[in-house]
Amino acid sequence: QSALTQPASVSGSPGQSITISCTGTSSDVGGYNYVSWYQQHPGKAPKLIIYDVSDRPSGISNRFSGSKSGNTASLTISGLQAEDEADYYCSSYTSSNTLAFGGGTKLTVL
Amino acid sequence: EVQLVESGGGLVQPGGSLRLSCAASGFTFSTYSMNWVRQAPGKGLEWVSYISRSSSPIYYADSVKGRFTVSRDNAKNSLYLQMNSLRAEDTAVYYCAGALGMTKFDYWGQGTLVTVSS
Repeated sequence: QSALTQPASVSGSPGQSITISCTGTSSDVGGYNYVSWYQQHPGKAPKLIIYDVSDRPSGISNRFSGSKSGNTASLTISGLQAEDEADYYCSSYTSSNTLAFGGGTKLTVL
Repeated sequence: EVQLVESGGGLVQPGGSLRLSCAASGFTFSTYSMNWVRQAPGKGLEWVSYISRSSSPIYYADSVKGRFTVSRDNAKNSLYLQMNSLRAEDTAVYYCAGALGMTKFDYWGQGTLVTVSS
């Protein structure tokens, strides 16, 4: 079971937009619309921010959006805020009836 | 208020066993599938196991298959993870997570630390 590929780090200034990619294969990201994104602040549990590629749970800001093209999913955060600084993880259902997580991306707000 | 509270973590020697528990409250536990997810110190998230609402089907990551067993008791609103033949690489914070379906992890516990070391 291979992890999905994310950039180790991204950064942006307050107010800017950033995009985090999540690359898998046709057996996971590309084969199903079951990609989720989680935000994790240091020492805290992960928090769901996007599910089913582009849906937001209740209470999640519309500054967070998700999309997918082929085997790559993306999370975009617009209007960056200081509190967005965190680790972000993608996940996808796989053809083996398992779940794969990405390696995580550390977002730094400059 | 939704709460998932893990317990049972601690220090165990290689080859030993440990049983984790996750107590749920604030939501209808029996309508959610449940998962265990772990995070080694300073590392990323790793999915460990899934158990459906009715306890069938059950799925495991290859890294724990044959060593870990997940179960649940809907009457007690509780989830369990029996971990046998523990290895140093099993050292991690273990989270329980509630999901509608297999992939939408709505609820997470605060985690319990398992350390496998001699």
